Amino acid sequence: DAKTTQPNSMESNEEEPVHLPCNHSTISGTDYIHWYRQLPSQGPEYVIHGLTSNVNNRMASLAIAEDRKSSTLILHRATLRDAAVYYCTQGGSNYKLTFGKGTLLTVNP
Amino acid sequence: KAGVTQTPRYLIKTRGQQVTLSCSPISGHRSVSWYQQTPGQGLQFLFEYFSETQRNKGNFPGRFSGRQFSNSRSEMNVSTLELGDSALYLCASSLWTASSTDTQYFGPGTRLTVL
Repeated sequence: DAKTTQPNSMESNEEEPVHLPCNHSTISGTDYIHWYRQLPSQGPEYVIHGLTSNVNNRMASLAIAEDRKSSTLILHRATLRDAAVYYCTQGGSNYKLTFGKGTLLTVNP
Repeated sequence: KAGVTQTPRYLIKTRGQQVTLSCSPISGHRSVSWYQQTPGQGLQFLFEYFSETQRNKGNFPGRFSGRQFSNSRSEMNVSTLELGDSALYLCASSLWTASSTDTQYFGPGTRLTVL
């Protein structure tokens, strides 16, 4: 199974940038990198995804290493509402996304 | 557009019983995936369906089964419940596939407690 590795937890201050890292040790050339987050008492929600190039959307930016063995989710200005568990995952043509344990992000006011 | 809905939201069963959980995907979505989430194991993939066909299955015993109907609605069934089956069961839908370029949209989950 595809495997990703993330830190168990990270802490940030409100309105500061946050860089959440992920290692994709078993990623294949056609796997997309996805990030999801799960707010307390909710199902996961999509954040961003990409293949090779860095990606931006209204929620975050995704930086993908040249060898694609690592990615970084960037929240440009963390808010209290960004406190959640963040999951990186990767998926290709096998119709499944394998989630790791995720990173619990705490945002301090 | 309505999101992914799951019913029931909460369920309490006793060991040995069976349970059926339901998932209605976003209109137009044809892929439905199921996940089990527990504090110890995190989010684990159960299976994925597309056009009534199971395309992939996670590493779970045969007590866990599922199906998808022609309108893309899906059900999962757990027979002979064990205490360890207590978990949040999440359903997610996407247009075509649970991986690659598609985005998955998750429902709120069904919280199953086995006593």
